[in-house]
Amino acid sequence: KAGVTQTPRYLIKTRGQQVTLSCSPISGHRSVSWYQQTPGQGLQFLFEYFSETQRNKGNFPGRFSGRQFSNSRSEMNVSTLELGDSALYLCASKKEGAGGGNEQFFGPGTRLTVL
Amino acid sequence: GENVEQHPSTLSVQEGDSAVIKCTYSDSASNYFPWYKQELGKRPQLIIDIRSNVGEKKDQRIAVTLNKTAKHFSLHITETQPEDSAVYFCAASIVYDYKLSFGAGTTVTVRA
Repeated sequence: KAGVTQTPRYLIKTRGQQVTLSCSPISGHRSVSWYQQTPGQGLQFLFEYFSETQRNKGNFPGRFSGRQFSNSRSEMNVSTLELGDSALYLCASKKEGAGGGNEQFFGPGTRLTVL
Repeated sequence: GENVEQHPSTLSVQEGDSAVIKCTYSDSASNYFPWYKQELGKRPQLIIDIRSNVGEKKDQRIAVTLNKTAKHFSLHITETQPEDSAVYFCAASIVYDYKLSFGAGTTVTVRA
């Protein structure tokens, strides 16, 4: 079974631009979470989606948004990019329901650099 | 919200020795505690997890202990090997809160 995939893997943007990152969960996984990883702040939760509904959101400004499609694929968008948005953005999927557990499986991440 | 503290931030051990990483959490409602290993340039991978109804769990050279009263949990790696060198993250969550709160990470270096 294929793992979680994220595209693009690397991205360079300039301040003020916007960016959209994509995440494809493991087949059959309906929960997708997003995390921001930086050397200074570690891994911080952005939001989680299940069946196209956001169930929880972290403490990030409204410039960070996301959505989930009916096939469980998810996107996150960051508008008006700031230098501090440079980070590795990780998504993770989880299977819920019968046969599911608590484990979140991470994708390889998208490395975003804001110049 | 949940706050997870992790110590130490770096740990250097001789091959064959044991390594212990400790984490504390703030929210007594947290009931799921996973540990992730992240090698350089790679994605975090779950190595072991524990639910709050269990005090200890072991998987070969890795074990996790949980003290709910004190709100702390620890990762124990025995007979360390060079391939154990990585950054280890603890996390805590309330299962139906749909998010993980991570510790800051511990960089483990196993010296040959």
